[in-house]
Amino acid sequence: ETGVTQTPRHLVMGMTNKKSLKCEQHLGHNAMYWYKQSAKKPLELMFVYNFKEQTENNSVPSRFSPECPNSSHLFLHLHTLQPEDSALYLCASGQGLSGNTIYFGEGSWLTVV
Amino acid sequence: AQSVTQLDSHVSVSEGTPVLLRCNYSSSYSPSLFWYVQHPNKGLQLLLKYTSAATLVKGINGFEAEFKKSETSFHLTKPSAHMSDAAEYFCVVSRSSASKIIFGSGTRLSIRP
Repeated sequence: ETGVTQTPRHLVMGMTNKKSLKCEQHLGHNAMYWYKQSAKKPLELMFVYNFKEQTENNSVPSRFSPECPNSSHLFLHLHTLQPEDSALYLCASGQGLSGNTIYFGEGSWLTVV
Repeated sequence: AQSVTQLDSHVSVSEGTPVLLRCNYSSSYSPSLFWYVQHPNKGLQLLLKYTSAATLVKGINGFEAEFKKSETSFHLTKPSAHMSDAAEYFCVVSRSSASKIIFGSGTRLSIRP
């Protein structure tokens, strides 16, 4: 149990579908993150939220839409994805943004067909 | 500017022998340095963290890392490898803000029986 829970763990979706990934942290942190991990590529930071406000958008295509209703929950809404978007999507949380440790969930495996 | 380089993409050792995973970093300021481990189909788990309190940092599962400023290195070691250590290991440098959390490309550790 890492304190960061992601659902679903596995998702298969068609290119015209709309789905969402959910992340919940039980650590009392105020910052939450979405990362993308593709095979043979470094971990890519997608979005950062601090106290529910988006502080980083790392040039992510608009077919990925994040939502942070409160400091404990983070969503990634998915719409008209491409096969190359298939990857492991990792959520993380941390206390503040200044060099503190971030804690990861187990990830959501996304396959776009 | 910050960067992190993991010098080996793959390391293979025999069970019971020492492990050395190499990491070099570049940072204009005193960084925070981390090692994370990712077992197959899992999220990233924090192994250990350096934040200037002590140059030799002990982590979980018998791992430790030594911060060497003169060599800009933060190598991960373990005296005796166990089969359960087989995983991907990431060196991370962080400073001041989420966009400055830089992940290395990872080192895959294999353990031979």
